[in-house]
Amino acid sequence: AQKVTQAQTEISVVEKEDVTLDCVYETRDTTYYLFWYKQPPSGELVFLIRRNSFDEQNEISGRYSWNFQKSTSSFNFTITASQVVDSAVYFCALSEAGNMLTFGGGTRLMVKP
Amino acid sequence: DVKVTQSSRYLVKRTGEKVFLECVQDMDHENMFWYRQDPGLGLRLIYFSYDVKMKEKGDIPEGYSVSREKKERFSLILESASTNQTSMYLCASSSPGLAGFGVTQYFGPGTRLTVL
Repeated sequence: AQKVTQAQTEISVVEKEDVTLDCVYETRDTTYYLFWYKQPPSGELVFLIRRNSFDEQNEISGRYSWNFQKSTSSFNFTITASQVVDSAVYFCALSEAGNMLTFGGGTRLMVKP
Repeated sequence: DVKVTQSSRYLVKRTGEKVFLECVQDMDHENMFWYRQDPGLGLRLIYFSYDVKMKEKGDIPEGYSVSREKKERFSLILESASTNQTSMYLCASSSPGLAGFGVTQYFGPGTRLTVL
């Protein structure tokens, strides 16, 4: 069974719109970590955030914010006032004890001027 | 700054050729990883290494082997390339953690391999 689901394969928005990328995960562990990575057209995955399962506080970093909800097993990522430079593929990933990092299928975000 | 480099950005090989993909990190990380990335499938782990000369199979090791003779270098080898190995290959490294649990991985720019 897929452990990390990113149901949105592609999203297209116009610059300055807000956009939310969904991530739903599945685990039986009580201790785990969640990550978001950005992959711009250059190809390199860029680390954005790491969150452990005991910290449900939402996080904001500039135009980026993350909403972690254990009750719905979701770790959603919102970009406020999107810009063309935000165009990329975004990956959500899950780290469980004894298992390798598991990635979702990715969401391609296209921000049009 | 964290730096992971890969030997080639683009590579074209013929079926049956032996292919070497090289990855070097300068962060003195113990763990190194090789993934392949295919559309809709995300990243899938091929092999990882937690120390020099140590290796563990990932989810899709068939058709691949690896070598880690030095801490900073991790090589992926396709013994006899096939067309179904056409893909994007990404290398990553991280500091120690049991099987990489909870530790942030840092990625290289990727090698897009085409096997004809």
